[in-house]
Amino acid sequence: DTEVTQTPKHLVMGMTNKKSLKCEQHMGHRAMYWYKQKAKKPPELMFVYSYEKLSINESVPSRFSPECPNSSLLNLHLHALQPEDSALYLCASSPQPYREINQPQHFGDGTRLSIL
Amino acid sequence: TQLLEQSPQFLSIQEGENLTVYCNSSSVFSSLQWYRQEPGEGPVLLVTVVTGGEVKKLKRLTFQFGDARKDSSLHITAAQPGDTGLYLCAGAGFNKFYFGSGTKLNVKP
Repeated sequence: DTEVTQTPKHLVMGMTNKKSLKCEQHMGHRAMYWYKQKAKKPPELMFVYSYEKLSINESVPSRFSPECPNSSLLNLHLHALQPEDSALYLCASSPQPYREINQPQHFGDGTRLSIL
Repeated sequence: TQLLEQSPQFLSIQEGENLTVYCNSSSVFSSLQWYRQEPGEGPVLLVTVVTGGEVKKLKRLTFQFGDARKDSSLHITAAQPGDTGLYLCAGAGFNKFYFGSGTKLNVKP
């Protein structure tokens, strides 16, 4: 069982829809991350929140909008996505930002997103 | 361009065989981590290596961090079908966290 919970597990949406992905952790971790993973590829970092503030945006298109309402929750708002955005979206957390040595990342099981 | 290159990319072996996966970079990392990811799940941390030359063992898995902290290896002894998955190395450096290119392992019974 993972300690990082992501909902929904699967999401199918049209290109004009607006939806949100949710991530929750109760380990007291102060850094949270969004990754995008295509099939048989490693995860690609999208956003990093450190102490509830956005610290890194890896040049992600504005159709992806992250939000960190509190230290336990991380959302990813989706709007006007493209078919190439279909992927597994993974959330992760770590006790401190990964710049700190020896900081393991705990991953959720992801949301499988399909754009029609 | 991947900062961390893994080899091989794919490996299909019979149960009971030994194997080694390599993770190489031209950059120095303060630490390297190894994860295993099974289909439909997120990556799960296996180990973190911190000191150059460090060797860590986790049952049949042996992890080594290079002396110069630029590379790492994962050796699996007597592989089992349950070892099947995507193996990812990852490192922290240059104010970012990088994943390796991944090694897809399939262990046939």
